[in-house]
Order: sequence, then structure tokens, then C-alpha cells
Amino acid sequence: GQQLNQSPQSMFIQEGEDVSMNCTSSSIFNTWLWYKQEPGEGPVLLIALYKAGELTSNGRLTAQFGITRKDSFLNISASIPSDVGIYFCAGLNSGGSNYKLTFGKGTLLTVNP
Amino acid sequence: NAGVTQTPKFQVLKTGQSMTLQCAQDMNHEYMSWYRQDPGMGLRLIHYSVGAGITDQGEVPNGYNVSRSTTEDFPLRLLSAAPSQTSVYFCASSYLVGPRRGTQYFGPGTRLLVL
Repeated sequence: GQQLNQSPQSMFIQEGEDVSMNCTSSSIFNTWLWYKQEPGEGPVLLIALYKAGELTSNGRLTAQFGITRKDSFLNISASIPSDVGIYFCAGLNSGGSNYKLTFGKGTLLTVNP
Repeated sequence: NAGVTQTPKFQVLKTGQSMTLQCAQDMNHEYMSWYRQDPGMGLRLIHYSVGAGITDQGEVPNGYNVSRSTTEDFPLRLLSAAPSQTSVYFCASSYLVGPRRGTQYFGPGTRLLVL
């Protein structure tokens, strides 16, 4: 099925560094979601964005809904070892009844203490 | 609030066996769905439900059945397991209406191995 273009595929950073990742799509969405998945666990919702241009924070995480509705960005400030995991973006069009999420392939984040 | 719960966490089946993966949510969400996650394929939608008594197919429904008799529960049935169904299965739920409609919360997953 359709997938979003998520980059970078992986990042290896030092503790304390800031992290940026993004997702782009050829289609527009009316909702963007960011999830984190750790080994052996399910995706955990980090941030939900519902309006073009919206900027939302959750602790050290900040995400933005692009004004074209075709992209979204996630930033993590002052990374710590427990930030390690795979970060997924997901786009959603919630107008119908099939709330199928379209996922990016994920960004694998490794934090070196 | 337990959120979305799934049982079992792990299961090994032989080809041809049947089993039911359980999913429950306590958030009063109308919408529930099942995804499978495979390396290189990402998360793919199997079946979904918009309320008790209403289910529909996602993008990979073959080999799976679902039913929704209550708002809380959405079991996934494998009628005759095949090795191609080896995967990690996730259940998710969300509100169907309102400002957060479609924002899905996932369970911890069931890891299935079919021999």
C-alpha cells in the first residue's frame, strides 16, 4: 500500500543532541500522528496534529503539521538514552469511516550515552 | 485506564490450526482495527470496525475473520493458520467522531509464529 517518505531512515547521535525527522507525502492528510515503538512493544502515540500549520509540543518533543498538508516534522531536543526506538509518522484522512493510517517506514534512533 | 489490551503476547501454531487473538479497550472507542507488522512491509490494515455489529475489510483481510459483539472487544480469528501469517499483530482503537476522531491507540501486540 501507499507509504509516506520518512527520513532519515536511521540516526546515531550523542546524548544531549537535538534530533529532527520528517515525513512527506504526495497526498494531503487532515491528521498527522507521530508514534514511537520500542522492541517488543506496540506503537505509542507521541503527538497528534489536526490543523495545517499547527505546532504541538509534548515535553522535549515538538511536531508540526506542514501548511501544504503533505508533510510533518518531529523534533526531539536534548536527547537522552531512553529516546532510543523507532519513530513512525502516520497520515490520516478522517472524513470517511475507514480510518486507515498510512505509515512512514520509520526512523531508527540510537542515542550514545 | 488500561487502554488497549491484547492476549496472548506470544503464540506458536502449526499450519492448519485455528486460534483467536483477543483485543479489548476500555476507552469507549467506537472504532477498532487490526494491523499486522512485517519487516519491510510496515503496518498493514487487516480488518476494522466502526461499532458493534459492523466490520469491514482492510488491505490484507484474506485468512482472517473478525466480529464485534460489544464496543469493548474485537477478536481476530485465524481459521487455518499458514506460515505466511507469521507476524506481529496489533489492535488499535479510536473515537469515530469528535476532534480526535481516527487518532488511534495501539495495544502491545501479539507475536505469532506459524510452523
